[in-house]
Amino acid sequence: DGGITQSPKYLFRKEGQNVTLSCEQNLNHDAMYWYRQDPGQGLRLIYYSQIVNDFQKGDIAEGYSVSREKKESFPLTVTSAQKNPTAFYLCASSIQGRTGELFFGEGSRLTVL
Amino acid sequence: AQSVTQLGSHVSVSEGALVLLRCNYSSSVPPYLFWYVQYPNQGLQLLLKYTTGATLVKGINGFEAEFKKSETSFHLTKPSAHMSDAAEYFCAVSPSNFGNEKLTFGTGTRLTIIP
Repeated sequence: DGGITQSPKYLFRKEGQNVTLSCEQNLNHDAMYWYRQDPGQGLRLIYYSQIVNDFQKGDIAEGYSVSREKKESFPLTVTSAQKNPTAFYLCASSIQGRTGELFFGEGSRLTVL
Repeated sequence: AQSVTQLGSHVSVSEGALVLLRCNYSSSVPPYLFWYVQYPNQGLQLLLKYTTGATLVKGINGFEAEFKKSETSFHLTKPSAHMSDAAEYFCAVSPSNFGNEKLTFGTGTRLTIIP
């Protein structure tokens, strides 16, 4: 079955540590996205990539970094510069040109201790 | 710029009753509108979408929504609630002349079904 796989599902981190969240898709989608979800705030876009080796900042990119070396993979690094990293992180992909039709992974819940 | 307002962060309905989740939007250009559903600790799944054409759109699981330009609304309805409908629902808007980088989500409405 095609889909998006995020790992790990749950992650605990100490303050000052970087952590990388994995996102892999086998849908052959060109575009991939990272969102952050906090209670009562909906989803906010962190980074997106429309093509391999290219990515753009979203609305809340500070303290995060990404790479897109392969079409299938779009890992997100939460750096120590992110002041409030505890959140639910969602990766999504879409067919280029199909606005709003996002396919989401099951998410990664990061807790900073 | 565009924005989405979902009225009511929590809605409870009895099993078999009408489900009505409210969404109002603002957009400076013709909008594309969407409803997504999220089950606990999972990602979001697209329920239905409006882009152009017929203003009443039908989605999965018996849900439908009507685009009302004069009211800037896109409310989600289902005639008869089922226990499996318990989830969080998100309305989203995108300007029609942009891609997903401009997709804006509402803050969500948690739907509880009373047996």
